[in-house]
Amino acid sequence: AQTVTQSQPEMSVQEAETVTLSCTYDTSESDYYLFWYKQPPSRQMILVIRQEAYKQQNATENRFSVNFQKAAKSFSLKISDSQLGDAAMYFCAYNGFNKFYFGSGTKLNVKP
Amino acid sequence: DTGVSQNPRHKITKRGQNVTFRCDPISEHNRLYWYRQTLGQGPEFLTYFQNEAQLEKSRLLSDRFSAERPKGSFSTLEIQRTEQGDSAMYLCASSLMTGGYEQYFGPGTRLTVT
Repeated sequence: AQTVTQSQPEMSVQEAETVTLSCTYDTSESDYYLFWYKQPPSRQMILVIRQEAYKQQNATENRFSVNFQKAAKSFSLKISDSQLGDAAMYFCAYNGFNKFYFGSGTKLNVKP
Repeated sequence: DTGVSQNPRHKITKRGQNVTFRCDPISEHNRLYWYRQTLGQGPEFLTYFQNEAQLEKSRLLSDRFSAERPKGSFSTLEIQRTEQGDSAMYLCASSLMTGGYEQYFGPGTRLTVT
């Protein structure tokens, strides 16, 4: 069965520093998509970044980048130059064929 | 485009009552998804539609749950004979069929069963 595991329930980072959030997944599919979503307190979930499994190049969106290791089934998110507005819950998500799974989330605190 | 909207935003009901939630997706999106999220957890997939067809249902979706998407536009999620364990945030999301299936989420409906 496909699962998504986020092993860090909570992390803290100093403003302007870099932080990496971990995610591993289990799947038997060869074609799928991976996402990181951000959920600020009491606000709706928004997409941060996505990765297509058949693309070897790691996705990048401004200060956000991923380290996608397909063989290891690992998909970590790196946030550079952290800002106070980055404080939120971050969810790793897997989209396969009729399969949609989310991890349990990592709460990111940003210290001024 | 105003994004995905959900109504009501909050619902308090007594155990045993039926409740219905509505989701209006982004207009050009073919796919619509329902998730349940409990405090401190990630969303759990319930079901999804492609246009008006319900393509997949989770085992979490017991016989008391039913979802519809008439004419492939808005969707409703009904819970019959609510139980206290149904208390959660119910999230709706929509996406295009292509483009990596990025999902756009609504604000959710918070259900409290007393």
